[in-house]
Amino acid sequence: KQEVTQIPAALSVPEGENLVLNCSFTDSAIYNLQWFRQDPGKGLTSLLLIQSSQREQTSGRLNASLDKSSGRSTLYIAASQPGDSATYLCASKGWGTDKLIFGTGTRLQVFP
Amino acid sequence: GAVVSQHPSRVICKSGTSVKIECRSLDFQATTMFWYRQFPKKSLMLMATSNEGSKATYEQGVEKDKFLINHASLTLSTLTVTSAHPEDSSFYICSAILAGGPGIEQFFGPGTRLTVL
Repeated sequence: KQEVTQIPAALSVPEGENLVLNCSFTDSAIYNLQWFRQDPGKGLTSLLLIQSSQREQTSGRLNASLDKSSGRSTLYIAASQPGDSATYLCASKGWGTDKLIFGTGTRLQVFP
Repeated sequence: GAVVSQHPSRVICKSGTSVKIECRSLDFQATTMFWYRQFPKKSLMLMATSNEGSKATYEQGVEKDKFLINHASLTLSTLTVTSAHPEDSSFYICSAILAGGPGIEQFFGPGTRLTVL
């Protein structure tokens, strides 16, 4: 059974710092891995999706990497801003299923 | 882009009543929709998979008689919390997969906050 964990659970940093959020999964046979952002009391916004054949994806200041062999994905946020404050969730999708298994989330606060 | 809506966004009800939550795919057809619940400061837990025209598939530990799911069309799935109790208070989120698409990405609704008094 796939288990997805995220470290750290919470993070508070000053504006401008470069950040790394970690996501670990126990079953490396994933179809893809996706990173989401969730603002308080809101739904999910998809940030990046990495297929199993890919190593990384980039969108603006965000870069996500995937290392299946080690069961890890990282989300890199460059030059963080207060508007980046939110909870970040990773989720894995296995082969032959549409189900997403979500990680425990990292609550990020970027202060001015 | 694909948009999923939920209605209502927030509902408060008395214990013992039933509450219906709608999930709609606005600009695409969805053969499969998912229902999640999220407790405060916790991650999303899949409750059930809803397929158009067939019975929903529930995850282990989810009471199918309490959480009734109907997926009557390719753009609408409903979740009815029957005889709601305070412990059912949670944030319910739906998602949908584009019909005929590669099935790679789920599109999420904005969520429904249920408070049972």
